[in-house]
Amino acid sequence: GESVGLHLPTLSVQEGDNSIINCAYSNSASDYFIWYKQESGKGPQFIIDIRSNMDKRQGQRVTVLLNKTVKHLSLQIAATQPGDSAVYFCAEADQAGTALIFGKGTTLSVSS
Amino acid sequence: DAGVTQSPTHLIKTRGQHVTLRCSPISGHKSVSWYQQVLGQGPQFIFQYYEKEERGRGNFPDRFSARQFPNYSSELNVNALLLGDSALYLCASSLYLQTEAFFGQGTRLTVV
Repeated sequence: GESVGLHLPTLSVQEGDNSIINCAYSNSASDYFIWYKQESGKGPQFIIDIRSNMDKRQGQRVTVLLNKTVKHLSLQIAATQPGDSAVYFCAEADQAGTALIFGKGTTLSVSS
Repeated sequence: DAGVTQSPTHLIKTRGQHVTLRCSPISGHKSVSWYQQVLGQGPQFIFQYYEKEERGRGNFPDRFSARQFPNYSSELNVNALLLGDSALYLCASSLYLQTEAFFGQGTRLTVV
């Protein structure tokens, strides 16, 4: 079946460090992926997306890498700040392109 | 511009009752999706509507229904509420299918 999972439930880093959050997906037919940030009591916030015809995409302080060979997705956050503390979810679009399938999330904690 | 707006923000209902949740998408967005998020989990897909037609349905019982109006706003209805329906209900809007999906703040439903 379709599922998206994350390698680590929690990640703790120091302010200023680079953070890497990983995600493994199981459906090789998925062709669209999104990273979301969710703060306590709020809805998921769109960070960055990538399509399967790309290996890498950069945004402001964030980079998403897609390795289709091993079905792996990662989110890199440069110069992590306390405001980056949140739960991060990767999501893949299902084959019909109608639903986003979410993993369980990684909680990022940034200490000053 | 306003983002995705959901109402109400919080709701307490009794088992067996009915509930209606509302969502207004970002202006110009034609697709609305609904997700259920229980504590500690990633969002789970319930429905997607595009141009007022149902385009996808997740693995939820028939007690759950939805519709999209001509102005692209949407309602999610849940009948015969169960304690297990307690969750954060999220609405996401996107311009088209499989494009950037932006979430609202959610409606926190508590069933007692």
